[in-house]
Amino acid sequence: GQNIDQPTEMTATEGAIVQINCTYQTSGFNGLFWYQQHAGEAPTFLSYNVLDGLEEKGRFSSFLSRSKGYSYLLLKELQMKDSASYLCAIMDSNYQLIWGAGTKLIIKP
Amino acid sequence: DADVTQTPRNRITKTGKRIMLECSQTKGHDRMYWYRQDPGLGLRLIYYSFDVKDINKGEISDGYSVSRQAQAKFSLSLESAIPNQTALYFCATSDQGADTGELFFGEGSRLTVL
Repeated sequence: GQNIDQPTEMTATEGAIVQINCTYQTSGFNGLFWYQQHAGEAPTFLSYNVLDGLEEKGRFSSFLSRSKGYSYLLLKELQMKDSASYLCAIMDSNYQLIWGAGTKLIIKP
Repeated sequence: DADVTQTPRNRITKTGKRIMLECSQTKGHDRMYWYRQDPGLGLRLIYYSFDVKDINKGEISDGYSVSRQAQAKFSLSLESAIPNQTALYFCATSDQGADTGELFFGEGSRLTVL
């Protein structure tokens, strides 16, 4: 079966660094996505990884290891506005997106 | 104005009623999708369409139907709503030619079935 696991909730402090993990088992792999979703709003695209390694984009970085079925999203210099849910999604062999349930990140001052 | 617009944004209805959620986009994308989101669950795909003449069932299509009236319009219907269809519904689009397949979401339609 297909499965994506990510922690339900995490708490971090403003200005700090947080790593949100995502592990997956899917039928095929054609890329991994991270989306950010503020409460009551639409998800917005953060990053896309299809090859192993680290992709950096400003304060956010995303890492992928296909052999381990593992990814993480790294958020640096946390700001209060980073309080949101972070969704991991895998594009499977049929080019369909399989979504994790999301990690709710709470930032404390 | 939003590139992907959903109407209505909120709707409360009764069991057995027919409901239509509408989606329109100005991004010029060929691909459109309908998802539902429930607390504690990932987004689940209901239907998707890769062009006006193409309609495909997603993971949870039972109890739903769709219509792709034009490249820019994709509507979702619940023929006879039931309480477990209470959820947040998102329309999304993507560009066939994009390397990443990034999805662009509408602002969501919150449906409550009593």
